[in-house]
Amino acid sequence: DAGVIQSPRHEVTEMGQEVTLRCKLISGHNSLFWYRQTMMRGLELLIYFNNNVPIDDSGMPEDRFSAKMPNASFSTLKIQPSEPRDSAVYFCASSLTGSYGYTFGSGTRLTVV
Amino acid sequence: GIQVEQSPPDLILQEGANSTLRCNFSDSVNNLQWFHQNPWGQLINLFYIPSGTKQNGRLSATTVATERYSLLYISSSQTTDSGVYFCAANPGTALIFGKGTTLSVSS
Repeated sequence: DAGVIQSPRHEVTEMGQEVTLRCKLISGHNSLFWYRQTMMRGLELLIYFNNNVPIDDSGMPEDRFSAKMPNASFSTLKIQPSEPRDSAVYFCASSLTGSYGYTFGSGTRLTVV
Repeated sequence: GIQVEQSPPDLILQEGANSTLRCNFSDSVNNLQWFHQNPWGQLINLFYIPSGTKQNGRLSATTVATERYSLLYISSSQTTDSGVYFCAANPGTALIFGKGTTLSVSS
């Protein structure tokens, strides 16, 4: 298995632009998690899905952030409009409910200038 | 919500030394994992260990769930062990991460 695949690896965008981050789950996994990592706040959970349904989005910073799972193997995290304080590394992870832990993707480093 | 505290925050070792990293969590959990974040930023799963003891080469981990702590042991450290070690605990929702222990191993 290729693991959890995130794209792009790096994204530089101007303030006000829309940004879309993508994540492909490991085949057979049914839970998907988006995390954000910054120096100040560490690794924060943004949202997680189980069987394509959002279970907890309390970590989503504000309405500018939205996440979807259009199918069982793919998720997007969208920021519109982006702001410099959104600069961070965004990770997604997948797991099989009741199973043996999470597997993380390589992350997307987002820089908003 | 659950609190996950790691100690020490920073650790400097000479190659060959042993070390113990600690993780305390404030609530009962159904999942506890240790990760290593390498210098390239990748999060590598070291152990899934909600209870008991596991070993993988020079690394081992022990979780005492009733006392709400976990320990990660690194023996005969190598420069490639450098990076940040995270403990993450799941109280039934999703993994919540500690702030990490930054390990520097010098030759």
